[in-house]
Amino acid sequence: DAGITQSPRHKVTETGTPVTLRCHQTENHRYMYWYRQDPGHGLRLIHYSYGVKDTDKGEVSDGYSVSRSKTEDFLLTLESATSSQTSVYFCAISEASRGGPAEQFFGPGTRLTVL
Amino acid sequence: GQQVMQIPQYQHVQEGEDFTTYCNSSTTLSNIQWYKQRPGGHPVFLIQLVKSGEVKKQKRLTFQFGEAKKNSSLHITATQTTDVGTYFCAGGANAGGTSYGKLTFGQGTILTVHP
Repeated sequence: DAGITQSPRHKVTETGTPVTLRCHQTENHRYMYWYRQDPGHGLRLIHYSYGVKDTDKGEVSDGYSVSRSKTEDFLLTLESATSSQTSVYFCAISEASRGGPAEQFFGPGTRLTVL
Repeated sequence: GQQVMQIPQYQHVQEGEDFTTYCNSSTTLSNIQWYKQRPGGHPVFLIQLVKSGEVKKQKRLTFQFGEAKKNSSLHITATQTTDVGTYFCAGGANAGGTSYGKLTFGQGTILTVHP
């Protein structure tokens, strides 16, 4: 498996509290992604990064912010968690490719429960 | 925005039967990728198709990319219990710029194999 870790792996929090999830890679890949996975919805892109301090929104970015201050770390922040943000969050990384997006390597996931 | 639809959502088969999942995009894709996620695990890359009409095989798995680069399929011959999991297709954006590294995932097909 690619060198990609997520922390924490599990978290239970209360509505209205801030939450930060961390993704760390040791592969020096350019692209990093945050997805959420919910039954019936597959994997939906929240935010992604195409370089240090370069980020863009995905299809479900409302209520989430990200930061990437160095190549190896990509942080996902829920400023004020809501119950609708209960989900499994996956981080992924990929390298640049000429023929379109390259294969993505996924972290183990973080299970977040917002009460 | 780009949408990728995948059917069926669920498929139950007897061991030894064949299985097919289909993927359709609302826009022309630069490439399409397939991932497998075992229960409780994270998505793992299977293959990437780039060329119009491309067909690739991995043992009992056959992947096809449509002529118009808007649809794809994964066919498993003679399923085994080890094939259990969720299969996702993911389409690469055909636009340039910052969307170059993005994938849009289908909802996934959950495959159950009965021994």
